[in-house]
Amino acid sequence: NAGVTQTPKFRILKIGQSMTLQCTQDMNHNYMYWYRQDPGMGLKLIYYSVGAGITDKGEVPNGYNVSRSTTEDFPLRLELAAPSQTSVYFCASASGTGSYEQYFGPGTRLTVT
Amino acid sequence: LAKTTQPISMDSYEGQEVNITCSHNNIATNDYITWYQQFPSQGPRFIIQGYKTKVTNEVASLFIPADRKSSTLSLPRVSLSDTAVYYCLVGDLIYNQGGKLIFGQGTELSVKP
Repeated sequence: NAGVTQTPKFRILKIGQSMTLQCTQDMNHNYMYWYRQDPGMGLKLIYYSVGAGITDKGEVPNGYNVSRSTTEDFPLRLELAAPSQTSVYFCASASGTGSYEQYFGPGTRLTVT
Repeated sequence: LAKTTQPISMDSYEGQEVNITCSHNNIATNDYITWYQQFPSQGPRFIIQGYKTKVTNEVASLFIPADRKSSTLSLPRVSLSDTAVYYCLVGDLIYNQGGKLIFGQGTELSVKP
């Protein structure tokens, strides 16, 4: 199993550009999450999904959109990138049954200039 | 989701036992306590989870007193590779549809030779 994979690993965007961060998991997990982590800070939840076709906002959803058309994929869309979105983005998945064990991907380091 | 308070940083030496305490005064009846470890430039990794008394696995122990208002993560005989940030999280597994976690700033553990 590859676990949770994320692409790209690094990206530099200009202000106002858009992009999609890809996330795929091969563990057949129902729950998936997107977090962002600013330097020296803890992770903040952007969006999450409890299954295909179901998504909900986390703590910091503004400026982002998600979709979940399959169990495996949970892409995060940034529209009109702003410098405040410079961060490391982590995708995670969980089985959703009886545990808070989440499996994290390697992260995408995004810089908006 | 209950708020948690942990020390910002701790220092230790190789071979010592390290205890990191987390306060969660507003923990609710259905809340579980979970700890994660994060190395630089990586996503967090699940360490241990518990509800009350003591839980032990191959890497750590979790001590939870009867009132559950605090918990202590114990790392036996730490090595340099245990240098990381450790997060304490509290959440309701039963009614928290989506398994959402709120990460605080964590405790930065530095292990010295």
